[in-house]
Amino acid sequence: EIVLTQSPDTLSLSPGERATLSCRASQSVTSNYLAWYQQKPGQSPRLLIYAASSRATGIPDRFSGSGSGTDFTLTISRLEPEDFAVYYCQQYGSSSWTFGQGTKVEIK
Amino acid sequence: EVHLVQSGAEVKKPGESLKISCESSGYIFTSYWIGWVRQMPGKGLEWMGIIYPGDSDTRYSPSFQGQVTISVDKSISTAYLQWSSLKASDTARYYCARRGYSASYYYFDHWGQGTLVTVSS
Repeated sequence: EIVLTQSPDTLSLSPGERATLSCRASQSVTSNYLAWYQQKPGQSPRLLIYAASSRATGIPDRFSGSGSGTDFTLTISRLEPEDFAVYYCQQYGSSSWTFGQGTKVEIK
Repeated sequence: EVHLVQSGAEVKKPGESLKISCESSGYIFTSYWIGWVRQMPGKGLEWMGIIYPGDSDTRYSPSFQGQVTISVDKSISTAYLQWSSLKASDTARYYCARRGYSASYYYFDHWGQGTLVTVSS
């Protein structure tokens, strides 16, 4: 099973700042199989990015994804108040789906 | 518009059985995989398994194989997650989610609201 490790666990930033979230895989992941989700308290997860860098429908362009192989990144170019949430990466490989443990983006 | 509507919260005792549901609308139910994801209190997301309603092809996470059963009823566009004997450690919120259409990509594009399952004596 491929293990995804996200870093940092918590990111403390102010609105308007840039957020860079990392997702590292224990073995190479096919880029088409890497996605990112946002989850706010009391809400279901929401798809942000699929295929490592494609924005889902309705997602603002301040969200971008990049990476390949074992290292992937979610970047939020300028944090808006509604972006403070937990973010998860997810991959599919070896007939199994796995999620990272999550990165919490909190207001500094 | 796509909707996945899950059944309501449950409170059960250890050893009891349970079946929760996820009713889909707004798309062709038999053409999209439906997955189940666990979120224990204050924790992250865990993939449990996934089913293709068209032919009931089902895959389980090794962590959940033999612990739960995933099924569908195509006639009412509903997917199910069931336990035969609950444990206190099954206390969690459970989400159903639809896999995106393309066979080239693996992601969940629509999610249910979640069902909170509490198991306590």
